Amino acid sequence: DAGVIQSPRHEVTEMGQEVTLRCKPISGHDYLFWYRQTMMRGLELLIYFNNNVPIDDSGMPEDRFSAKMPNASFSTLKIQPSEPRDSAVYFCASSLRTDGEQYFGPGTRLTVT
Amino acid sequence: QKEVEQNSGPLSVPEGAIASLNCTYSDRVSQSFFWYRQYSGKSPELIMSIYSNGDKEDGRFTAQLNKASQYVSLLIRDSQPSDSATYLCAVSGNTPLVFGKGTRLSVIA
Repeated sequence: DAGVIQSPRHEVTEMGQEVTLRCKPISGHDYLFWYRQTMMRGLELLIYFNNNVPIDDSGMPEDRFSAKMPNASFSTLKIQPSEPRDSAVYFCASSLRTDGEQYFGPGTRLTVT
Repeated sequence: QKEVEQNSGPLSVPEGAIASLNCTYSDRVSQSFFWYRQYSGKSPELIMSIYSNGDKEDGRFTAQLNKASQYVSLLIRDSQPSDSATYLCAVSGNTPLVFGKGTRLSVIA
């Protein structure tokens, strides 16, 4: 298996623009997680899905953030409008169980100027 | 609020020594414990999982769990410069993993 795939790997955008991050989980993994990592706050869970259904989005910082999973092999995290404080590395991870080992994608480094 | 605490480091050890990384957690019902390694600019990589009290060994790595003390540790024997990275502790109890902020390890040649 190719592992978790994320795109783009790097994104530089201007404040106010819409940003869409993409993730393909490992085939057969029913759980998909979106994280944000910064030096100050570490790794923060934003939202997770089970069988394409959002289970807990309490970590989503603001209404500017939204996530979808239209099918078992694809998820998006959208920020609209983006702000400089959204600059971080965003990871997608997948797992067989809620509390099981998670496997991370390579991440998307987002810079908002 | 479930919390996982790690010393941020940096922890510096000479090449060939044993590196000891520690983690405490707040949720007493936690059942699953993981150690991830994250190189600078890379994503977290799972290196160890442990579910029962005691030690679990895998090559140069040993994970130790003490549920009564709510404490989990990772020992790296014969540390190599290539072990220099940030090590993240993750804990779960029928919920998604809660990650600590990580301990930065530096192995000096």
